[in-house]
Amino acid sequence: DTEVTQTPKHLVMGMTNKKSLKCEQHMGHRAMYWYKQKAKKPPELMFVYSYEKLSINESVPSRFSPECPNSSLLNLHLHALQPEDSALYLCASSRGDGYTFGSGTRLTVV
Amino acid sequence: QKEVEQDPGPLSVPEGAIVSLNCTYSNSAFQYFMWYRQYSRKGPELLMYTYSSGNKEDGRFTAQVDKSSKYISLFIRDSQPSDSATYLCAMSGAAGNKLTFGGGTRVLVKP
Repeated sequence: DTEVTQTPKHLVMGMTNKKSLKCEQHMGHRAMYWYKQKAKKPPELMFVYSYEKLSINESVPSRFSPECPNSSLLNLHLHALQPEDSALYLCASSRGDGYTFGSGTRLTVV
Repeated sequence: QKEVEQDPGPLSVPEGAIVSLNCTYSNSAFQYFMWYRQYSRKGPELLMYTYSSGNKEDGRFTAQVDKSSKYISLFIRDSQPSDSATYLCAMSGAAGNKLTFGGGTRVLVKP
């Protein structure tokens, strides 16, 4: 299994909703990442988990809350988002020789 | 000045031509260099991974890294319409560390 699987693929949520994005990999990678990508822009790093511990938080607003329940799973909990948070949210994993990205969750905040 | 500069294109070439892409960077700590291909509304797909300076070839793709000039390149031979996508360079200072991306180059291969 050489994939990073993200669910859901599409998500529309209101500004008062709570939702979660999920990411799963079974490649034995011990580093996992959340990136945010706006249209026609490169991905921007949000969080890095290394060995299931949060190692980097790129000053992301607290309405985004990451969680790493085990070495294969990574979640991103969303609460009270703003319309400007609409973007493609990408999960990635790495063992050090390249980063494998999932297909992303396209999030629309209304 | 951005840490990684990449011409946004678009770069339009006829089918069968060689596509030449490049990035320049300013951070001398970068040691790991990658090229990704991203189709519209999809996640980036890793094409090439290179550590430090040198060349690497994989099928129709060749990646070059010149650390002395802080310059990396990707060449795509015998380009196909299916190669039409945005190509992102990315680099990091340590394995598994934060990736810094270039802005991406949009490539269009015309039949």
